Amino acid sequence: AQSVTQLGSHVSVSEGALVLLRCNYSSSVPPYLFWYVQYPNQGLQLLLKYTSAATLVKGINGFEAEFKKSETSFHLTKPSAHMSDAAEYFCAVSADSNYQLIWGAGTKLIIKP
Amino acid sequence: SQTIHQWPATLVQPVGSPLSLECTVEGTSNPNLYWYRQAAGRGLQLLFYSVGIGQISSEVPQNLSASRPQDRQFILSSKKLLLSDSGFYLCAWSLGAASGYTFGSGTRLTVV
Repeated sequence: AQSVTQLGSHVSVSEGALVLLRCNYSSSVPPYLFWYVQYPNQGLQLLLKYTSAATLVKGINGFEAEFKKSETSFHLTKPSAHMSDAAEYFCAVSADSNYQLIWGAGTKLIIKP
Repeated sequence: SQTIHQWPATLVQPVGSPLSLECTVEGTSNPNLYWYRQAAGRGLQLLFYSVGIGQISSEVPQNLSASRPQDRQFILSSKKLLLSDSGFYLCAWSLGAASGYTFGSGTRLTVV
């Protein structure tokens, strides 16, 4: 069965610092991988996705993620954090059937001024 | 372009009252549809999904039910709400694994 692990329920960084949100997955087949962002009281918005093309994926708002098969990881990064990046971030992997996504528990990103 | 509409945005209901939340999708055909719930401080919990009209799969046994009367309409219902039904309800649609999900804006349900 597929699974997703997001390390750290909360991550705190200073404004202007590097953002690194970790995601590890398990899958018996080549996966599709996604990062979503959720602002308070809003739905989830797709940040970026990996669908077996380039291993370095660029998304919206300056975020990018690198697919590393050997490490079964898909960590999300941004070189310089902005206050507006404060939100909850979810990593997800495609399931084997019925187009279901398996979700990580989420990581709340806190930006310190 | 595809859009998803979910309403209402907020809802306060007394314990024991019925519930009906509606979600509609525009600009696509035969989408997979999903209902999720986020309880306070919890992650995403899949409640129901549907791969076609009248086809509903339930992931969690509870006092909620779902229906898909039309291709692009997905309804979440309850006959009698419980306090534990409070949460943020999200509808989503998908056309396949590679496309991921597109979410609605959510409904904040408070059962009092």
